Amino acid sequence: EAGVTQSPRYAVLQEGQAVSFWCDPISGHDTLYWYQQPRDQGPQLLVYFRDEAVIDNSQLPSDRFSAVRPKGTNSTLKIQSAKQGDTATYLCASSPLQLSYEQYFGPGTRLTVL
Amino acid sequence: GQGVEQPDNLMSVEGTFARVNCTYSTSGFNGLSWYQQREGHAPVFLSYVVLDGLKDSGHFSTFLSRSNGYSYLLLTELQIKDSASYLCAVRGPKGLTFGLGTRVSVFP
Repeated sequence: EAGVTQSPRYAVLQEGQAVSFWCDPISGHDTLYWYQQPRDQGPQLLVYFRDEAVIDNSQLPSDRFSAVRPKGTNSTLKIQSAKQGDTATYLCASSPLQLSYEQYFGPGTRLTVL
Repeated sequence: GQGVEQPDNLMSVEGTFARVNCTYSTSGFNGLSWYQQREGHAPVFLSYVVLDGLKDSGHFSTFLSRSNGYSYLLLTELQIKDSASYLCAVRGPKGLTFGLGTRVSVFP
């Protein structure tokens, strides 16, 4: 069974630039999560979807961040105008609806904003 | 709201054990998970507990006391390769809230 895949693995930006992260969850997992993990901290939930619907995006900085999952499979997280404080690893995870305590994480995208 | 607290670091010796503590506060507890995260890698699920008591899974065991808002992960017969960060995550109304993680270092 293929795991969660993410791309790109690394990104380096200047402040003000835009970037998109892509995630392909495990087939059949209806729930998809995006986390931000700054260095030496735990993952912090940004947004999660059940199928194509956003369930909770209360921690997503809405003025610069956006996330979509149009067909309930792959998902894209976009930062419109990056800031140095956005430097972190962005993790995508998926789980079946009934097992949301057991999430399968992708390798992450390590973002550096200069 | 939700809060999850863990010690920053823990050192132990190969062949012995390590206990990683976690205290939490939440408005709606729906279970607690433990994840292992090696440097530069994604978290990997280890265990989930929702009922009080000790859950023995061999190399890893987990304990939960809901009334005290407390859990621990017990790693026995430590090996060098157990050196990693261990994350406690509480499942509440808004999904999983992770602690900062405890970095466990196992020495020969």
